[in-house]
Amino acid sequence: QQQVKQSPQSLIVQKGGIPIINCAYENTAFDYFPWYQQFPGKGPALLIAIRPDVSEKKEGRFTISFNKSAKQFSLHIMDSQPGDSATYFCAAENSGGGADGLTFGKGTHLIIQP
Amino acid sequence: NAGVTQTPKFRVLKTGQSMTLLCAQDMNHEYMYWYRQDPGMGLRLIHYSVGEGTTAKGEVPDGYNVSRLKKQNFLLGLESAAPSQTSVYFCATRQGGAKNIQYFGAGTRLSVL
Repeated sequence: QQQVKQSPQSLIVQKGGIPIINCAYENTAFDYFPWYQQFPGKGPALLIAIRPDVSEKKEGRFTISFNKSAKQFSLHIMDSQPGDSATYFCAAENSGGGADGLTFGKGTHLIIQP
Repeated sequence: NAGVTQTPKFRVLKTGQSMTLLCAQDMNHEYMYWYRQDPGMGLRLIHYSVGEGTTAKGEVPDGYNVSRLKKQNFLLGLESAAPSQTSVYFCATRQGGAKNIQYFGAGTRLSVL
């Protein structure tokens, strides 16, 4: 059972556009929602994260929007640049649960065209 | 990826061969994880450890074994490799308690022929 569903699987956006990646979760015990960014040949790295007590978090050009009632969250990249081309993973975790850590979405391969 | 080192970076095995992947961390983190990444499948947890001498199964543990004899090292073993184990393997670490950030290594690309 996939607990975090991510869409789209791939996305192509022109430079300056605003790519949006969506995730939906099922487990209401999840209370931590990070996004990881992965460049080719590298391991994933934390990009930005949110907890459900806020509806939005911004860090630079990256914004997470969170809708607790709908059990959905999304990543927006403002003024996207070719250097943002990467694979993005959403994830979720129940901080009070076991130590098995994050449940990941299947990833979105994002290409920003010059 | 500073602090989490995976060796080797690449490996080609024949079906039935065995090998061990090493993950070493210098961040003094309690928790360590092994994931596999396959196209369209995201990151799937194989095994994890919450401290020296402890291990536990993740989502896809079959065909793998692990050991955590020292806090800084987490080994992933394949006793009899199968083509289905062709994948990119990532190690991750995390400080225990409420610290949720996982730090990943650069990965090991394994092909089983």
